[in-house]
Amino acid sequence: GQNIDQPTEMTATEGAIVQINCTYQTSGFNGLFWYQQHAGEAPTFLSYNVLDGLEEKGRFSSFLSRSKGYSYLLLKELQMKDSASYLCAVSTGGGNKLTFGTGTQLKVEL
Amino acid sequence: DTAVSQTPKYLVTQMGNDKSIKCEQNLGHDTMYWYKQDSKKFLKIMFSYNNKELIINETVPNRFSPKSPDKAHLNLHINSLELGDSAVYFCASSPRDRLNTEAFFGQGTRLTVV
Repeated sequence: GQNIDQPTEMTATEGAIVQINCTYQTSGFNGLFWYQQHAGEAPTFLSYNVLDGLEEKGRFSSFLSRSKGYSYLLLKELQMKDSASYLCAVSTGGGNKLTFGTGTQLKVEL
Repeated sequence: DTAVSQTPKYLVTQMGNDKSIKCEQNLGHDTMYWYKQDSKKFLKIMFSYNNKELIINETVPNRFSPKSPDKAHLNLHINSLELGDSAVYFCASSPRDRLNTEAFFGQGTRLTVV
């Protein structure tokens, strides 16, 4: 089966750095995605990793270790607008099927 | 201009009714999906179509029937609606020949069964 775990909630301070972890056990692996979802809105793409290592994109970075079944999303210089749910998703199968974790609700406080 | 659009955005209906949700994408993608997000915000795939052909069919009651008249459209018809069907349904699309690219999601349809 497919199993993706991430913390349910996290709280951080504006201007700080936060790391959201994701562990996965899946049959097949085409890559790992991170999506951001604000309340009442659609998920939007943040990052993609298929090889081990760190991918940096502005204030957001994502890391992958395939041998450990582990990824994290790093958010720097947190802003209030970063308060959202962050979804870890693994792509498997020929149809680019995305299996999502339950999401981590991040709250950024002053 | 909207890449993936679905209608309606909100749908309130009584148990036992039959309803449809429409989805259209103007990105030229070959693959389209339906996802269900429950009250706990868990997003789960239901169906995937590639160029009008069903390629993913998760364990979904057969009251749910997707229909793809062409590769730009994927509609979801639900028969005999039940209270447990209340959720947000997201349509998405991605290019098939680039498996490892992101899926683009529609704005969602919030279905409430009363």
